[in-house]
Amino acid sequence: SQKIEQNSEALNIQEGKTATLTCNYTNYSPAYLQWYRQDPGRGPVFLLLIRENEKEKRKERLKVTFDTTLKQSLFHITASQPADSATYLCALGSGSARQLTFGSGTQLTVLP
Amino acid sequence: DAGITQSPRHKVTETGTPVTLRCHQTENHRYMYWYRQDPGHGLRLIHYSYGVKDTDKGEVSDGYSVSRSKTEDFLLTLESATSSQTSVYFCAISREATGVTGNTIYFGEGSWLTVV
Repeated sequence: SQKIEQNSEALNIQEGKTATLTCNYTNYSPAYLQWYRQDPGRGPVFLLLIRENEKEKRKERLKVTFDTTLKQSLFHITASQPADSATYLCALGSGSARQLTFGSGTQLTVLP
Repeated sequence: DAGITQSPRHKVTETGTPVTLRCHQTENHRYMYWYRQDPGHGLRLIHYSYGVKDTDKGEVSDGYSVSRSKTEDFLLTLESATSSQTSVYFCAISREATGVTGNTIYFGEGSWLTVV
């Protein structure tokens, strides 16, 4: 069956360091992948989209890579800040389905 | 913020009672979705709509029904609430089919439902 796994449920890092979050998938051929941020008690908010033919996407301090051979996406936050603390969700779209499939998320805490 | 309003935001209900959650959008987006979010499961799609009176099931649709009589409103009904339906429910919208085109999904603020 199709499966999406995001590395650990929780990740703690020191302020100023680079946070790296992982999204792995199996039995899936995604046409693209999206990353969302979710703060406690709020709905997810879209951050970045990367398509299957793109290796890397950047937006300010955020960088996403997409390796369809490894079936993996990495999400990096450089120069992390306590305000980056949140849960980050990856979501895959197959290109033929009408909806996204979400991972369960990684809770990131940036320690001051 | 996307113009999505969910109501009620919080509700406690008894097992066996019907419950309706409402989602209202001001963006005139074609697609509307209902997700539930539970610890360890992430966001799971319940139902979605691709137009007025056009709806389809998601992966966890059992025990839920939906209706969309107007572009801006999408209702989720639990016909007879059970404790397993205690969850946070998110409404979402997208301009076109996000699974096909990569269109961004915009989420509402969530409705916390407790079934006792």
